[in-house]
Amino acid sequence: DVKVTQSSRYLVKRTGEKVFLECVQDMDHENMFWYRQDPGLGLRLIYFSYDVKMKEKGDIPEGYSVSREKKERFSLILESASTNQTSMYLCASSPNRGRAQQYFGPGTRLTVT
Amino acid sequence: ELKVEQNPLFLSMQEGKNYTIYCNYSTTSDRLYWYRQDPGKSLESLFVLLSNGAVKQEGRLMASLDTKARLSTLHITAAVHDLSATYFCAGPANFGNEKLTFGTGTRLTIIP
Repeated sequence: DVKVTQSSRYLVKRTGEKVFLECVQDMDHENMFWYRQDPGLGLRLIYFSYDVKMKEKGDIPEGYSVSREKKERFSLILESASTNQTSMYLCASSPNRGRAQQYFGPGTRLTVT
Repeated sequence: ELKVEQNPLFLSMQEGKNYTIYCNYSTTSDRLYWYRQDPGKSLESLFVLLSNGAVKQEGRLMASLDTKARLSTLHITAAVHDLSATYFCAGPANFGNEKLTFGTGTRLTIIP
């Protein structure tokens, strides 16, 4: 079974703090994704990576950066957290064999106060 | 880039009834995915539809894909309370791409 884990289920941070969200997958998948989910807006892609050290911007990259130093790990970084980044963050991974589904982690609910 | 529209956004139905959730998408797509999300939980894959006319069934849920009409449906037969969840459809943002575009979801509530 594919397993995607995220470092925290719940996180509370203050405005201006630097925040790291970690995602690890154990199935040797090439592709990894970070989404945020907000009520009424569905899932929106922040960044994705199709290989180690490779990254591409998604639909809403502003205020975020990512790091992929190892194949199994994809980190999302909020350089200076703001209240409008309060959201549910979901990580996903998929293999690079074309038309494969994405497997999602349990999510991190981040509150910025 | 693909746009995905689901309807209805909210659906309240009685146990035992049948209903269909619709997923329309804007451009040619070679595949369509359905996911389920329970409150406070992550997304769980339900179906992967890979060709025109594809039909997949799991229990009381059946999904189909019509690539010519750019339409996928998720049909619920004889609904039970356990099916209460939010259902998302998703398709590749660009043809053959690994990036997915998600619909805004259909929140389904089954009433006894």
